[in-house]
Amino acid sequence: AQSVTQPDIHITVSEGASLELRCNYSYGATPYLFWYVQSPGQGLQLLLKYFSGDTLVQGIKGFEAEFKRSQSSFNLRKPSVHWSDAAEYFCAVGALRNEKLTFGTGTRLTIIP
Amino acid sequence: ETGVTQSPTHLIKTRGQQVTLRCSSQSGHNTVSWYQQALGQGPQFIFQYYREEENGRGNFPPRFSGLQFPNYSSELNVNALELDDSALYLCASSLPANEQYFGPGTRLTVT
Repeated sequence: AQSVTQPDIHITVSEGASLELRCNYSYGATPYLFWYVQSPGQGLQLLLKYFSGDTLVQGIKGFEAEFKRSQSSFNLRKPSVHWSDAAEYFCAVGALRNEKLTFGTGTRLTIIP
Repeated sequence: ETGVTQSPTHLIKTRGQQVTLRCSSQSGHNTVSWYQQALGQGPQFIFQYYREEENGRGNFPPRFSGLQFPNYSSELNVNALELDDSALYLCASSLPANEQYFGPGTRLTVT
C-alpha cells in the first residue's frame, strides 16, 4: 500500500529565508509525486508534479522539488519565502498520473516578518 | 477556461439525514475524484468516476455513493449521516494520464 509521511507538522520561517518541506513516500513501483498548497478554507492548488525524467522539477510561485529514489523522498524547496506563502502544504503520491492520490497529513507553514 | 466548481459552499445537516454534493469538472476533463478532508488531516480518497463509471474506491462504507453525468459533472451522496462525516469534501477533475485539479470544496457540518 502506498503512503506518504510529512514529518514536520508545523514550520515557522522568516520572510526572505529559504524553505525546505520534507516528504517521504512508500510505494512499490515508480511513483507519481505531487505537491499541493491549501490556503485556509480553500481547495488544493497544484504546485508541481514529478512523473519521470529530470529529478529536479520546477513549479509555480518559485517552488521546486527534488525526487530522490534512493531516499524515497520528494522534498519541496523555495530559496526565499514571501508572507503570501503561509499556508498548508501537502505531498501526495499516485500509482498513475490521475489515479487516486494518497496524501500526507500536511505541513503548516507560518511566515514571520 | 472554467476551473472545477463545487456546490454548495457550506452545508449543515443533522445526524441520520442524507446529503448530495455537486461538482462541475474543468472543461474537457472526463475523470472526477472525490476526497474527504477531516479537520487537520490530509484528504482521503473516496472514489473516482471515469466516463460515468466508478473507477476505484477508497475505504469508505457503501452509504457514500456517487454519480457522473454525460457532461462529466458529478454528485457525491452520503446517506445516514454521522457526526464523523463532518469534513471538507473536495472534488478533483483530470484528463487521462494527467494531474488532478481540485475545486474549492464543500464544508459539511453534521450536528
